[in-house]
Amino acid sequence: GNSVTQMEGPVTLSEEAFLTINCTYTATGYPSLFWYVQYPGEGLQLLLKATKADDKGSNKGFEATYRKETTSFHLEKGSVQVSDSAVYFCALSRAGHTGKLIFGQGTTLQVKP
Amino acid sequence: GAGVSQSPSNKVTEKGKDVELRCDPISGHTALYWYRQRLGQGLEFLIYFQGNSAPDKSGLPSDRFSAERTGESVSTLTIQRTQQEDSAVYLCASSPTTPDYEQYFGPGTRLTVT
Repeated sequence: GNSVTQMEGPVTLSEEAFLTINCTYTATGYPSLFWYVQYPGEGLQLLLKATKADDKGSNKGFEATYRKETTSFHLEKGSVQVSDSAVYFCALSRAGHTGKLIFGQGTTLQVKP
Repeated sequence: GAGVSQSPSNKVTEKGKDVELRCDPISGHTALYWYRQRLGQGLEFLIYFQGNSAPDKSGLPSDRFSAERTGESVSTLTIQRTQQEDSAVYLCASSPTTPDYEQYFGPGTRLTVT
């Protein structure tokens, strides 16, 4: 079946450190891939997405590249800020289907000043 | 404009009682989704509505769960005879259409079954 696996957290970094949150997926066909973020006390919001192989999604300094050969969509940021502290969810939706999202379990990021 | 709204924000109920959760999608969004987020876990898909088409109920965990939506308006998720394992945050999302458009999430309803 379709599934998403994220690296376990929490991830604790110092400000300006490099961030990688690993995400791998299993899916039939060609899914679209997403990163959602949930800031403390706020609702879930889309951070970035990629809809086909080799696409790179980017937003707010975050990037993720759709790697079909490794079935991965790792989230990266070159220099994290305290304000990036949040829970990050990797998700997929199967192309041509209802758009329902299949989520990973979430990774908590804490950035210390 | 207004985002997705959900009510109540918090609900505490006794085991065995029925509860009804409400979602107001963004105006004009034809697609509406319900998800459940248990503590420390990712979101699980529950049900999907698209316009007047038959809903995709494949994620509903048991026949105690049901949901309704009339056209492109409000949706209600009903849980009958609640159990402690139903305790979770229930999230609603809407989208202009499917399949690859962004889903906009509401703030969720935190359900606690005692």
